[in-house]
Amino acid sequence: NAGVTQTPKFRILKIGQSMTLQCTQDMNHNYMYWYRQDPGMGLKLIYYSVGAGITDKGEVPNGYNVSRSTTEDFPLRLELAAPSQTSVYFCASSRFMGTGNTEAFFGQGTRLTVV
Amino acid sequence: KQEVTQIPAALSVPEGENLVLNCSFTDSAIYNLQWFRQDPGKGLTSLLLIQSSQREQTSGRLNASLDKSSGRSTLYIAASQPGDSATYLCAVRPRDTGANNLFFGTGTRLTVIP
Repeated sequence: NAGVTQTPKFRILKIGQSMTLQCTQDMNHNYMYWYRQDPGMGLKLIYYSVGAGITDKGEVPNGYNVSRSTTEDFPLRLELAAPSQTSVYFCASSRFMGTGNTEAFFGQGTRLTVV
Repeated sequence: KQEVTQIPAALSVPEGENLVLNCSFTDSAIYNLQWFRQDPGKGLTSLLLIQSSQREQTSGRLNASLDKSSGRSTLYIAASQPGDSATYLCAVRPRDTGANNLFFGTGTRLTVIP
């Protein structure tokens, strides 16, 4: 059972470059999320999606874009990479059951360095 | 805004000891609280999920409790083993518009010494 799969695992970008972090899940979850984890800080929500075609901003969306064309995939796009985007990025998914009581499952993370 | 705190930031114990990790949160209006384990350079593994109506959950040597009114949760690990060494994170899912979000603590880094 693959769960949540992220690619790539590591990436070094130069300032101003762009890239897409890939995330796919095989659990048929309707909710998907992107978080970033900085040293000494808790994970912060970047964007989330409640289903195909529906996305919304989280706490720290600036500098990022997302799309959700299928239930399985939720790519995160970085345009004009900046050193402040150096972080570890986690994708997660959950099955929303109407009451909000839903368990989140996380991918292995993408470690991104912008130089 | 929901704030989640985990104390201590780091903990070292000899193998075989029982231990308790603490998590506190500022707003008791939550759907649930989830405990995760994170190994160095790895993703988050879900350990236990406690619904807001529950007081505790158990899985093997792990027991998590929830006192929503006081904004506290504990993760009890029995008979600790070196393989338990990792960072433990707690996260809450609030009932307000942030229900689509999990608010995380900064974690407790546990080292179990053989």
